[in-house]
Amino acid sequence: QVQLVQSGAEVKKPGASVKVSCKASGFSFSDYAMHWVRQAPGQRLEWMGWISAGIPYAKYSQNFQDRVTITRDTSGSTAYMELSGLKSEDTAVYYCARGYYNSGGHYFFDYWGQGTLVTVSS
Amino acid sequence: DIQLTQSPSFLSASVGDRVTITCRASQDISSYLAWYQQKPGKAPNLLIYLASSLQSGVPSRFSGGGSGTEFTLTISSLQPEDFAAYYCQQLNSYPYTFGQGTRLEIK
Repeated sequence: QVQLVQSGAEVKKPGASVKVSCKASGFSFSDYAMHWVRQAPGQRLEWMGWISAGIPYAKYSQNFQDRVTITRDTSGSTAYMELSGLKSEDTAVYYCARGYYNSGGHYFFDYWGQGTLVTVSS
Repeated sequence: DIQLTQSPSFLSASVGDRVTITCRASQDISSYLAWYQQKPGKAPNLLIYLASSLQSGVPSRFSGGGSGTEFTLTISSLQPEDFAAYYCQQLNSYPYTFGQGTRLEIK
């Protein structure tokens, strides 16, 4: 069955970087887009960016002002999200999600990782 | 950015009730709208995509409708497992924004 398993919780100091991994299994990883979404405590879900299937192309939300980098390792079926310049407001649960898309656009995120809590505190 | 506004933000209902949640977009998003259910401490679960298409494995009591700027999610007969938070998401243009959520509670 399709599974996305994320790395464990992280505690970081302001200004540091964090890299969260998302290991996929149960489907052809190279055929699907991977998205990253975060949810701060009591807040709505916030889309951060995505990376394409095949030849990697990444697109990021401007709300993160060049602080986020999404990569993928096809041989290891793993996607990564790195967020730099951490602030206390970045404390949130970070999710990876499999995305379905074609030439007509993106349609939905059908499988999600279990989430990774990143806490930013001095 | 496209803003999505859900109403109501909180909804109290009983098992067996029919409930409808509305999601309004700040501009035309055609039918590029999805609905998710999220239970406490869990990841979101896809219910509906392209405004009205039911995701495989989702019970038929869930249905979606609308296009353009106004969308609905309807649960025809609430079951105990349906008490959760619900979010709409637009995938028409970057960034792919979500609504603020609707918390559905047992009356």
